[in-house]
Amino acid sequence: DVKVTQSSRYLVKRTGEKVFLECVQDMDHENMFWYRQDPGLGLRLIYFSYDVKMKEKGDIPEGYSVSREKKERFSLILESASTNQTSMYLCASRLSENQPQHFGDGTRLSIL
Amino acid sequence: KQEVTQIPAALSVPEGENLVLNCSFTDSAIYNLQWFRQDPGKGLTSLLLIQSSQREQTSGRLNASLDKSSGRSTLYIAASQPGDSATYLCAVRQGNAGNMLTFGGGTRLMVKP
Repeated sequence: DVKVTQSSRYLVKRTGEKVFLECVQDMDHENMFWYRQDPGLGLRLIYFSYDVKMKEKGDIPEGYSVSREKKERFSLILESASTNQTSMYLCASRLSENQPQHFGDGTRLSIL
Repeated sequence: KQEVTQIPAALSVPEGENLVLNCSFTDSAIYNLQWFRQDPGKGLTSLLLIQSSQREQTSGRLNASLDKSSGRSTLYIAASQPGDSATYLCAVRQGNAGNMLTFGGGTRLMVKP
């Protein structure tokens, strides 16, 4: 069964902190994605990775960076958290290009 | 730029009804289309994936159709149950946009017992 695990369901951080969101998949998937979901704006792609150490910007990469040192783990980094980064963050993975994306349960991040 | 629209935004039906959720997209040059379900406060669960060369896909009580030329997809749910209550999202992948999915705003479905 497909399993994408996000390290935290809820997270509260302060403005200016460096924040790490972790995502792990156990299906040997090539591609991994980070989205954020906001009311009225839907899901928007932040970054994706099509292989280890490979990354590409999505629609809204500003203020974020990512790391993929191992195939199973894709990290999203908020370099200096700001209140407008309060959101629901969703990680997804996919075996290859024409396969479906599978999502984790999400991390609800609040920046105070 | 691709735009994906889902109508209606919310739908309430009595248990047992068959129902159709709609998804339309502006650029027909898609690679595939995926339907998801999202429960409150949770991530997305993949329901069905239709490749651009396919007309429909079925899984249990769910049937998704794709008409690329008219820019439409429908998700048909047979014999709806209260457990089907959730938000349903469609997403299209462009043929020329790498790995990006463009999501619709979703239809919030409530099935009343």
